[in-house]
Amino acid sequence: DAKTTQPPSMDCAEGRAANLPCNHSTISGNEYVYWYRQIHSQGPQYIIHGLKNNETNEMASLIITEDRKSSTLILPHATLRDTAVYYCIVSPYTGNQFYFGTGTSLTVIP
Amino acid sequence: KAGVTQTPRYLIKTRGQQVTLSCSPISGHRSVSWYQQTPGQGLQFLFEYFSETQRNKGNFPGRFSGRQFSNSRSEMNVSTLELGDSALYLCASSLSRGPANEQFFGPGTRLTVL
Repeated sequence: DAKTTQPPSMDCAEGRAANLPCNHSTISGNEYVYWYRQIHSQGPQYIIHGLKNNETNEMASLIITEDRKSSTLILPHATLRDTAVYYCIVSPYTGNQFYFGTGTSLTVIP
Repeated sequence: KAGVTQTPRYLIKTRGQQVTLSCSPISGHRSVSWYQQTPGQGLQFLFEYFSETQRNKGNFPGRFSGRQFSNSRSEMNVSTLELGDSALYLCASSLSRGPANEQFFGPGTRLTVL
């Protein structure tokens, strides 16, 4: 069952940073936070994941609060191609069963 | 490196029939998970296979089943199709199991039940 809460939709101006929040207040100490996005019924695309430290890769940055109860995905310079549904997922300690919530539909506006 | 492949990409069946979908994971990946996506229910976990054994199962009826072969390829089967089984079926593969394994998704098979 989904253990995350995300706003249903957000807008972001092209070229600006997109900050997508996620609450995961029941996360356990050994569970990771994953972010995926899905563009118009394609398969979800991996973005980033982290345990407790902030993470950065070529796509995005992940900021996890010290108590690990929430996180923020940052797309530093949003483009029109970043328009998608973004899912925040708390991975189980064992197994690979992801429980997707409803995600955040991000629209990047020209 | 080739990604996750799923066949067929599109399928049309009628109620009562059965269907088999196939998933080839990324080379070297041993875990395969299946998901169903519908407009009403969103993305839902079906089952996970690792080393030819089902490790986890979601809340779906017994009409949904699957298997994994020794080369890690996986199939899922849906018997006695219902209209509500119309969905995008997604397969994901990962190297192993556990909390730090990225899952890579295929493009999905779109099943339409008439």
